[in-house]
Amino acid sequence: AQSVTQLDSQVPVFEEAPVELRCNYSSSVSVYLFWYVQYPNQGLQLLLKYLSGSTLVKGINGFEAEFNKSQTSFHLRKPSVHISDTAEYFCAVINQAGTALIFGKGTTLSVSS
Amino acid sequence: DADVTQTPRNRITKTGKRIMLECSQTKGHDRMYWYRQDPGLGLRLIYYSFDVKDINKGEISDGYSVSRQAQAKFSLSLESAIPNQTALYFCATSGGSYEQYFGPGTRLTVT
Repeated sequence: AQSVTQLDSQVPVFEEAPVELRCNYSSSVSVYLFWYVQYPNQGLQLLLKYLSGSTLVKGINGFEAEFNKSQTSFHLRKPSVHISDTAEYFCAVINQAGTALIFGKGTTLSVSS
Repeated sequence: DADVTQTPRNRITKTGKRIMLECSQTKGHDRMYWYRQDPGLGLRLIYYSFDVKDINKGEISDGYSVSRQAQAKFSLSLESAIPNQTALYFCATSGGSYEQYFGPGTRLTVT
């Protein structure tokens, strides 16, 4: 069965520093991967997705992620974070039947000045 | 206007009460989903529907039921609410590209 592990529950960083949020997945079928962001008191918004093609995926707000099949990872990166990036981030993979997403437990990114 | 709306946004109810959470979408998508979010657990799938006549249980369907009244409407019911159903509930839609669009959530508290 598919699963998603987000390796850090909380990541504190200073403004303008680089950040990496780590995600590992397990899947025995075609891999479709997603990163969502949840700002305080809001719903989830898609940051980026990998369905096929280039393993480096660029998303909104300057985020990017790299699909690494051998490492079964899909880490999210941003070279310079802003205070406004403070949010919870979720990694997700499509389930085996292709019917729904399986989410990780989330990583809280806290950016301070 | 938001593409996916949920009502109510906040609800406090008592143990044993029946409660319905409603979701509407204007994206024209066939697929709709209900998730619950608990701190430290991420989102877990309760039910999903691929069209009006198609309803499927998710990972944690016990204690919940759903109704797909139309392509655009998908309701979640708690027949007899219990305190451990206190959570943030999200509705989502998908047009078949696997990408899902989420509503703003309903914060439910069962006392």
